Amino acid sequence: GAGVSQSPSNKVTEKGKDVELRCDPISGHTALYWYRQSLGQGLEFLIYFQGNSAPDKSGLPSDRFSAERTGGSVSTLTIQRTQQEDSAVYLCASSSAGTGAYEQYFGPGTRLTVT
Amino acid sequence: AQSVTQLDSQVPVFEEAPVELRCNYSSSVSVYLFWYVQYPNQGLQLLLKYLSGSTLVKGINGFEAEFNKSQTSFHLRKPSVHISDTAEYFCAVSHTGTASKLTFGTGTRLQVTL
Repeated sequence: GAGVSQSPSNKVTEKGKDVELRCDPISGHTALYWYRQSLGQGLEFLIYFQGNSAPDKSGLPSDRFSAERTGGSVSTLTIQRTQQEDSAVYLCASSSAGTGAYEQYFGPGTRLTVT
Repeated sequence: AQSVTQLDSQVPVFEEAPVELRCNYSSSVSVYLFWYVQYPNQGLQLLLKYLSGSTLVKGINGFEAEFNKSQTSFHLRKPSVHISDTAEYFCAVSHTGTASKLTFGTGTRLQVTL
């Protein structure tokens, strides 16, 4: 079946612009995660959605970052007024409920370059 | 809070040789443990996981790992590597219970050569 998909695969933007990154989780997966992978910081957790519960936003690095998940499926990560330190690969993952909840399936990522 | 330490940033090894990638963790609560692999320009793929039970877990591609609670370690091993195993390997932990976020180590680059 289809895995986690992310778009765009690459995004180049100018400093100060806003960007939106999209994630389509595996159908039926109730949990969705965003991580960031950068040379300086490694793999960092950003935000986590589980069903209808309030999201865990504890990893968002600043108030310029926000995310939403519409209809319990697609998620959009928005970065406002981008800075050069936002350059990274943004990874999305999803997992199912129940006994499969511990296995997160990752998408290929969106490579963001801020110039 | 929890943290993961991967002691080796790079591990060079010849094809068909054995390899061990080291992982140590720190946590004040019980954790689940994972190894993920990332091939060039690809996302992360789960190799294996420890949730409970036998401390020796087997994963895909001939990899295995052993959970050692007293040493807070979860080292990854393979008895004979192939060129195709060249990749970045990440150790990760999460809280037990319901699904939760992963905390990753900094990764180990496994470079297999002839």
